[in-house]
Amino acid sequence: TQLLEQSPQFLSIQEGENLTVYCNSSSVFSSLQWYRQEPGEGPVLLVTVVTGGEVKKLKRLTFQFGDARKDSSLHITAAQPGDTGLYLCAGATNTGNQFYFGTGTSLTVIP
Amino acid sequence: GAVVSQHPSRVICKSGTSVKIECRSLDFQATTMFWYRQFPKKSLMLMATSNEGSKATYEQGVEKDKFLINHASLTLSTLTVTSAHPEDSSFYICSANSVSSYNEQFFGPGTRLTVL
Repeated sequence: TQLLEQSPQFLSIQEGENLTVYCNSSSVFSSLQWYRQEPGEGPVLLVTVVTGGEVKKLKRLTFQFGDARKDSSLHITAAQPGDTGLYLCAGATNTGNQFYFGTGTSLTVIP
Repeated sequence: GAVVSQHPSRVICKSGTSVKIECRSLDFQATTMFWYRQFPKKSLMLMATSNEGSKATYEQGVEKDKFLINHASLTLSTLTVTSAHPEDSSFYICSANSVSSYNEQFFGPGTRLTVL
């Protein structure tokens, strides 16, 4: 069961453009993580957000956790070809012991 | 960060055979490991949660007799795909739970299974 819906599903943009990926759910999560995955490899953790309304920045990436801890967004400024990949959000249940992944956003940044 | 390994990275087998995939946490102990399945350009689907020393908890729709999971130690979990068929071909990924305040999980590099 996919508890987390990501949008858009696919995104192709030119180098230098900005973009936002959304991760939405009707469920409340104790924490939410964002991952980036390249073909044939496992996901790599980018960030974990825990507090409602929390904003974290990682260089050109800005992550926000919704006030109600049901949704999150990832904003990339001045995208680069190296940002190309599959972006996944994952929410941890209140027990903290189980994670459910979003539907995924495949990003392609064209040089 | 914590390191999780998987072996093998790729495996090709004939239909009807069984395949074992190992997941190891290399520099930390993992009381809980997770097994996921992923189709091309799709998200990860949780198959089961593996707890050390106890039976795995399978997600709805996942056949426990088809996908045997053993978590015999704090650093090793195995997934055995029994009597594999072409529809079992997929990318299988494990992750291990790092016991921290955020319960972060760390992923293995995945295993590409192709059943002929």
